[in-house]
Amino acid sequence: QQQVKQSPQSLIVQKGGISIINCAYENTAFDYFPWYQQFPGKGPALLIAIRPDVSEKKEGRFTISFNKSAKQFSLHIMDSQPGDSATYFCAAINEGGADGLTFGKGTHLIIQP
Amino acid sequence: NAGVMQNPRHLVRRRGQEARLRCSPMKGHSHVYWYRQLPEEGLKFMVYLQKENIIDESGMPKERFSAEFPKEGPSILRIQQVVRGDSAAYFCASSSSDVREETQYFGPGTRLLVL
Repeated sequence: QQQVKQSPQSLIVQKGGISIINCAYENTAFDYFPWYQQFPGKGPALLIAIRPDVSEKKEGRFTISFNKSAKQFSLHIMDSQPGDSATYFCAAINEGGADGLTFGKGTHLIIQP
Repeated sequence: NAGVMQNPRHLVRRRGQEARLRCSPMKGHSHVYWYRQLPEEGLKFMVYLQKENIIDESGMPKERFSAEFPKEGPSILRIQQVVRGDSAAYFCASSSSDVREETQYFGPGTRLLVL
């Protein structure tokens, strides 16, 4: 059972455009939602994270939107650049649990110059 | 300021051999997580360890896999009698506390290929 569903699987955006990646979760016990960026041959690196008590968080060109009632959250990359081309993973974790992060399957993002 | 280190970066084993993957957490971190990533898949949690203790191993296969994090030295993920299905990238992550939202910092991974 996949607890975090991520879409799309791949995404091509023109330079300067907005990249949007969506995730939906099932476990209502999740209470922390980070996004990770992974380049080929590297480990994931934390990009931005949000807690369910806020509906939006912005850091530079990256924004997370969170809809608690719909159990959905999304990553928006404004003014997308070729250097943003990578695989993006949404994740979730339960503060009261003892296991690790639950990841989505990832989105391959390509920014065309 | 070294990040999380993993070695080897690439490991080739034949079926039936043992694989040992090592992870040195960031300086000051005493919490280690191991994840497995299959091709075109997200990372799957395997085990969470603190020094000398396994906190949660709910994602670990019941047989052939074991993990430890001794008082001194790196954390070790051990896979006995490897099979082709074990071929994957194995990542460890470390954090500084058991606060659940504490950022996990990932290493570069070990890519295991079983022939």
